[in-house]
This record gives sequence, C-alpha cells and structure tokens, in this order.
Amino acid sequence: AQKITQTQPGMFVQEKEAVTLDCTYDTSDQSYGLFWYKQPSSGEMIFLIYQGSYDEQNATEGRYSLNFQKARKSANLVISASQLGDSAMYFCAMREGWVSNQGGKLIFGQGTELSVKP
Amino acid sequence: GAGVSQSPRYKVAKRGQDVALRCDPISGHVSLFWYQQALGQGPEFLTYFQNEAQLDKSGLPSDRFFAERPEGSVSTLKIQRTQQEDSAVYLCASSALQRGTDTQYFGPGTRLTVL
Repeated sequence: AQKITQTQPGMFVQEKEAVTLDCTYDTSDQSYGLFWYKQPSSGEMIFLIYQGSYDEQNATEGRYSLNFQKARKSANLVISASQLGDSAMYFCAMREGWVSNQGGKLIFGQGTELSVKP
Repeated sequence: GAGVSQSPRYKVAKRGQDVALRCDPISGHVSLFWYQQALGQGPEFLTYFQNEAQLDKSGLPSDRFFAERPEGSVSTLKIQRTQQEDSAVYLCASSALQRGTDTQYFGPGTRLTVL
C-alpha cells in the first residue's frame, strides 16, 4: 500500500534562512504525483507545489522548491529565505496514478510543524 | 474567484445526535473529496464525487457516515448518531479536472466536537 513518511515532527529555522522538510514515499506505481500543503493554525490546507513522477526537473514555486529524488523515493520541500508567516504544519501527500473511479485521492503524511524564529 | 467554503466552521454535538456538514466547491469543479483529520494527524480520505456520482466511498469509517452531491455542486456530509471518536476536522477539497496534474483545493474545514 502507498505510504508517506515525514520523520520530522517539528523543525525550527531562523528567519531568512533556508529549511528542508523531509518526505519519503512508498509506491509500486510508475505514475504518481507528489504534493506539499501548508496548514496554518487557521486550519485551511494551502497548496504549495506539485511534482509529477515523470517530471525530469524539480518543481519550483517562488520560495518553494521540491528536491525530487526518484530512486530514493524522496520529495523534500525546500523553503528559501524563511519568513515568520511560514510557521505552520506542512504536509506531504501522494496521488498514486489516476484511476477514474478514485479521482486522485491523496494519501498524506503525518506532517512537520515548522517554527520560524525572528 | 471564490475558494472552497465549508459550513459550519465549528460544530459541537452531543453523543447520539445527527450532524450535517456542508461544502461549496469552487464553481465548475468536477471532482469533490471529503477528508477527516484527527488531532495531530494528516488528513485521511473519506469519499469522492465526480459531478453528482459518488464513485469512491471506501474511506467512510462506518455506515453512520453518508455523503451526497445531488446536483454536482454543493455536497453534504452527514454523520448519524455521532460518537466521540467522530471528533475531528472534516475537510472538503475540489479539483477542476478529472485526471492529470489537477490540484485539490481545500476549504477551511469544519471542526466537529462530540461531547
């Protein structure tokens, strides 16, 4: 069964520094998608970045980049120039292939709580 | 445009009561998902709609949970005879496409507390 593992329950980073949040996944499928979401204390899940299994280049979105290492089955999120507003829970999620009657449901990891220090 | 909205944001129920949670997806989105998020955990899939058809309900924890999307837009998640273990945040998400790289956009969630 597919599985997402986030081994860092909590992380601290100094404002303006970069931080890497780890994510490893397990799947037997060749086609899958990997997502990162941010969940502030308000509770809403905010989409950050997406990486497809066939994408050859690492995804980037502003200050967010995804370090995708397919052979190691890892999809780490890198946040550059951390800001106080980045303090939140971060979830890695995987969609395994695409099956018409499943619509691409997501499997989430346990999350990493990031705290940015001033 | 407007994002996914959910109501109520907070719901307190006495054990045994029925509750109904509403989700308004982004206009035109074909796919709609419900997830359950227990305290300190990642969200877990409950059910999936493609337009008005409920194509996957494999994540519903018991037959007390029921979801519908009769006109292919607004969806309601109903929990009958609530139990304390039903206490969680219920998240709704919608996506535009039926396949590919479509992204799921989430609502703010409904926090259900069963006393």
